[in-house]
Amino acid sequence: DQQVKQNSPSLSVQEGRISILNCDYTNSMFDYFLWYKKYPAEGPTFLISISSIKDKNEDGRFTVFLNKSAKHLSLHIVPSQPGDSAVYFCAASQPNSGNTPLVFGKGTRLSVIA
Amino acid sequence: GAVVSQHPSRVICKSGTSVKIECRSLDFQATTMFWYRQFPKKSLMLMATSNEGSKATYEQGVEKDKFLINHASLTLSTLTVTSAHPEDSSFYICSARQGRGQETQYFGPGTRLLVL
Repeated sequence: DQQVKQNSPSLSVQEGRISILNCDYTNSMFDYFLWYKKYPAEGPTFLISISSIKDKNEDGRFTVFLNKSAKHLSLHIVPSQPGDSAVYFCAASQPNSGNTPLVFGKGTRLSVIA
Repeated sequence: GAVVSQHPSRVICKSGTSVKIECRSLDFQATTMFWYRQFPKKSLMLMATSNEGSKATYEQGVEKDKFLINHASLTLSTLTVTSAHPEDSSFYICSARQGRGQETQYFGPGTRLLVL
């Protein structure tokens, strides 16, 4: 059973527009959420995170929104740039998780078209 | 963010040989390191969780005798692919967590292994 789901395998957006990447989770114990960006043949790069006590966290062009009641989070990128084209992974963890790894979604491939 | 390095970035070896991949946290101490494998056009697959000074915990289906993991210090974990076969060819990525309560995992750049 997949606890973190990214239902859109791919997304295409025009340069300058907003990119919205979505993520749903099923485990209500998750309390910390992260987004990673991955280019081909490279390791994922940490982008932004959010704790469950917040509903929004912003860092430059990247904003993550969390809707706990819907068990849904989204990453907004605005304005989108061609260099943002990559695979984006959503990840989650629960409190007192000790040494357990993050739970990752399967990723969404974002293509920003110039 | 924190920096994690991997060495080598790319390796080609003959079938039957062993290959060691190093993962280092450069600017923090990592209580826990994780090893992932990525198949072409697939998501990351967790192979094992490695804690400093103790045995690694392997995911179901991952052969611990084939993929030897050693987490000798708080800044270094190694993955050794023993008796490599062509089907072991893949992209191996490590990640490190700064410490208990610090949930962000920082990833290395990955190692491309090609077994001929």
